[in-house]
Amino acid sequence: ILNVEQSPQSLHVQEGDSTNFTCSFPSSNFYALHWYRWETAKSPEALFVMTLNGDEKKKGRISATLNTKEGYSYLYIKGSQPEDSATYLCALNTGGFKTIFGAGTRLFVKA
Amino acid sequence: EAGVVQSPRYKIIEKKQPVAFWCNPISGHNTLYWYLQNLGQGPELLIRYENEEAVDDSQLPKDRFSAERLKGVDSTLKIQPAELGDSAVYLCASSFGLAGAHDTQYFGPGTRLTVL
Repeated sequence: ILNVEQSPQSLHVQEGDSTNFTCSFPSSNFYALHWYRWETAKSPEALFVMTLNGDEKKKGRISATLNTKEGYSYLYIKGSQPEDSATYLCALNTGGFKTIFGAGTRLFVKA
Repeated sequence: EAGVVQSPRYKIIEKKQPVAFWCNPISGHNTLYWYLQNLGQGPELLIRYENEEAVDDSQLPKDRFSAERLKGVDSTLKIQPAELGDSAVYLCASSFGLAGAHDTQYFGPGTRLTVL
């Protein structure tokens, strides 16, 4: 059974702090990695799709890196704001349409 | 452009009752997914449609769950009868169905089901 692990499970930071969390996956099954942000009572929103080892993507204050050889991706948020509070999901695409989601990291940003 | 629409947003029923969820995908998206998300876990695929054909329903508990996607657009997911363990969030997603890694899924807000 393929497993996608996210850590930490939850994170509390102060406004202005920078933070990061991890998505780990079996490198032998890698085809692509997606990051989603899911705010409470809203739809999960696609942030990034990453395909190449060493990929680095950026969207405003959020960025992500990918290491397919060791099987992990980091998501960074610079200068966290209360509106960044959400659950951040990573999803491993193993080829075709098979997608395995991690359990998410729940971020709380306190003003 | 309208996103993926799901209804109802919340549903509370007693066990053994039937329940149905509806999903309207983004216009032009051929692929539609239904996911189940239990508390503290990631979404797990129940069924995937390519147009009106269910191409992956291997994780759908067929004794009580059924789904349809008539005309390859809207879809309904039904549970009959519901059990206590079915309490979860049911997410619908759609995508263009492109081959390769860049077929991003777009999600609806989900239906939160509580079975009493």
